[in-house]
Amino acid sequence: AQSVTQLDSHVSVSEGTPVLLRCNYSSSYSPSLFWYVQHPNKGLQLLLKYTSAATLVKGINGFEAEFKKSETSFHLTKPSAHMSDAAEYFCVVSLPLENEKLTFGTGTRLTIIP
Amino acid sequence: NAGVTQTPKFQVLKTGQSMTLQCAQDMNHEYMSWYRQDPGMGLRLIHYSVGAGITDQGEVPNGYNVSRSTTEDFPLRLLSAAPSQTSVYFCASSYSRDTGELFFGEGSRLTVL
Repeated sequence: AQSVTQLDSHVSVSEGTPVLLRCNYSSSYSPSLFWYVQHPNKGLQLLLKYTSAATLVKGINGFEAEFKKSETSFHLTKPSAHMSDAAEYFCVVSLPLENEKLTFGTGTRLTIIP
Repeated sequence: NAGVTQTPKFQVLKTGQSMTLQCAQDMNHEYMSWYRQDPGMGLRLIHYSVGAGITDQGEVPNGYNVSRSTTEDFPLRLLSAAPSQTSVYFCASSYSRDTGELFFGEGSRLTVL
C-alpha cells in the first residue's frame, strides 16, 4: 500500500522569497516520487521526478526536491518565488513500473503576493 | 506539437444522458489514462490502457466505459450520467507504462444536472 500527504492545502509567499511545499509519503517499496504543477484551467505538467538516483532532484523553472528516506519526505523548494509560480502543486508517489498505481496528493495551492 | 487534445472543454448534461469525452494524442504513446479531479481529492484513475486493444479499470471505473481501437485515441463514455459524475476529467498519456511521466490534456469540465 502507498499513500501521500501534502501537509498544506494553501501556501502564500511574497514574490522573491523562498517557497517550501511539503510532502510526506508512505510506501511498502522503494517508491518513485514526482511533483506536478497545474496552472489555472490547464492540465498537469511534470516538474520533477525521483527514481532512486540522486536524492536531490532538480526540475524545471528553478524548482528542486530532496528525497529523505529517514523522514519519508519529498518537499519541493524554490529559492525565489515568481508571480508565474502561482498554481496548484501535486505530490505523487508510485510503485516502480506501474503508472496505473500513481497516487496523487490532494494538492497545495501556491499564492504569490506581489 | 498538439500533445494531448481533449474535447469538449465544457459540457452540461441532464441526469441519465450519455456522452463521450474524446482524447487524442500525437506522440505515439502506448499508455493512456483517464482521471477525474474533484476538490480536495486529488486525481483518481478511472480507466487506463497499455496499448491498442487493451484496457483496464482504475480506482473509480463505475459508470464509465472506454475503448482503445487505435494508439492515438482513447474515448471515455458516460453511460447514464449522474450528478456524482460532475467533475473535471483529464486524459493523460505516457511513452510507456513504467515511466510515471504523464502528459496531460487541458481537461473537460462536466456538469450533470
